[in-house]
Amino acid sequence: EIVLTQSPGTLSLSPGERATLSCRASQSVSSSYLAWYQQKPGQAPRLLIYGASSRATGIPDRFSGSGSGTDFTLTISRLEPEDFAVYYCQQYGNSPQTFGQGTKLEIK
Amino acid sequence: EVQLVESGGGLVQPGGSLRLSCAASGFTFSSYWMTWVRQAPGKGLEWVANIKQDGSEKYYVDSVKGRFTISRDNAKNSLYLQMNSLRVEDTAVYYCASHGYWGQGTLVTVSS
Repeated sequence: EIVLTQSPGTLSLSPGERATLSCRASQSVSSSYLAWYQQKPGQAPRLLIYGASSRATGIPDRFSGSGSGTDFTLTISRLEPEDFAVYYCQQYGNSPQTFGQGTKLEIK
Repeated sequence: EVQLVESGGGLVQPGGSLRLSCAASGFTFSSYWMTWVRQAPGKGLEWVANIKQDGSEKYYVDSVKGRFTISRDNAKNSLYLQMNSLRVEDTAVYYCASHGYWGQGTLVTVSS
């Protein structure tokens, strides 16, 4: 099983700042089958990024994904108030698929 | 518009059974893998199981192997999760998901 470790656990930033979230895998993720999700309280997760760097439909271009192998990054270039939420990475190249434990992005 | 609507959750005693359903619409159901993901109260996401388009391949997280069974009916555009021998630690919101789309989830509570 591929273990995904996200860091930091909590990130405190202000609107307008840049956010960098990390996801490290215990072994290489097949074909960059790495996704990022955003989840707000009481809501289902929302797909942001798939294939490590492709934005899902309707996702603003301030969200970007990068990385390969075992190290992946989600960057939010300029935080908007609605971006404060929990973010999860997921690998879907190997079974069982696995999620990271999440990074909470909170308003400073 | 893609829609995934889960149903079948509720309160069940330890050792009991439940069958979750997911009704899909707005896409060609038979063309996509389907997945169940769960989230315990206040916790992160946990992938539970998935099933290939024709049902020929199924995968499970170790903690549910031998207890849960995923299935689908392509004629009815429906996904199922049969959950037997339920444990307190199976308490969670169960989401149906496919190619980036998620339902709103159904709550399963296992308690005496």
